[in-house]
Amino acid sequence: RKEVEQDPGPFNVPEGATVAFNCTYSNSASQSFFWYRQDCRKEPKLLMSVYSSGNEDGRFTAQLNRASQYISLLIRDSKLSDSATYLCVVKDTGGFKTIFGAGTRLFVKA
Amino acid sequence: NAGVTQTPKFRILKIGQSMTLQCAQDMNHNYMYWYRQDPGMGLKLIYYSVGAGITDKGEVPNGYNVSRSTTEDFPLRLELAAPSQTSVYFCASSYEAGVRNEQYFGPGTRLTVT
Repeated sequence: RKEVEQDPGPFNVPEGATVAFNCTYSNSASQSFFWYRQDCRKEPKLLMSVYSSGNEDGRFTAQLNRASQYISLLIRDSKLSDSATYLCVVKDTGGFKTIFGAGTRLFVKA
Repeated sequence: NAGVTQTPKFRILKIGQSMTLQCAQDMNHNYMYWYRQDPGMGLKLIYYSVGAGITDKGEVPNGYNVSRSTTEDFPLRLELAAPSQTSVYFCASSYEAGVRNEQYFGPGTRLTVT
């Protein structure tokens, strides 16, 4: 079993749609969780951290479910500019071991 | 503010050649990392450094070496390049390694070994 698993997609959605991605992780001792965004042939950039209580940043909402060992990302009112690959990232206690998922590709169409 | 810079952007190597990928950051970050990303795969940690003079292996260190003589620079050395090292290499840095700390990435180096 992979340490971090994501549905590779692609998810094809129309502008204005709501789309959700899930990511599962295998290490129950994992301490922190992030969503990064990666545009085609570009470097990853932090989208948001994921906190136990869930957190929201504009149209983006992230949730953590420790019992089931998954995190989720919800994008509301999708924009064309949201088209990218979304990487789920999990860190262990020490913070050095950072595990990246393979990413979920999103295409938002007009 | 340049952030994390990497050179070269692209490189083609023949099997058995060697090269150094350069990485520099101007954010005074203590921690620096090298990752590789193969098509359709997640980033895998090659080496990391917690400060000048201190480096350690990550998940996939074989075939690579690093050094950290200054806070700013963290070069990655490929010795005896092999086709399996064809990948995109990203350098990253962070102020701390703590669980909440964001990593900032450079633009990447696309390496092809033929």
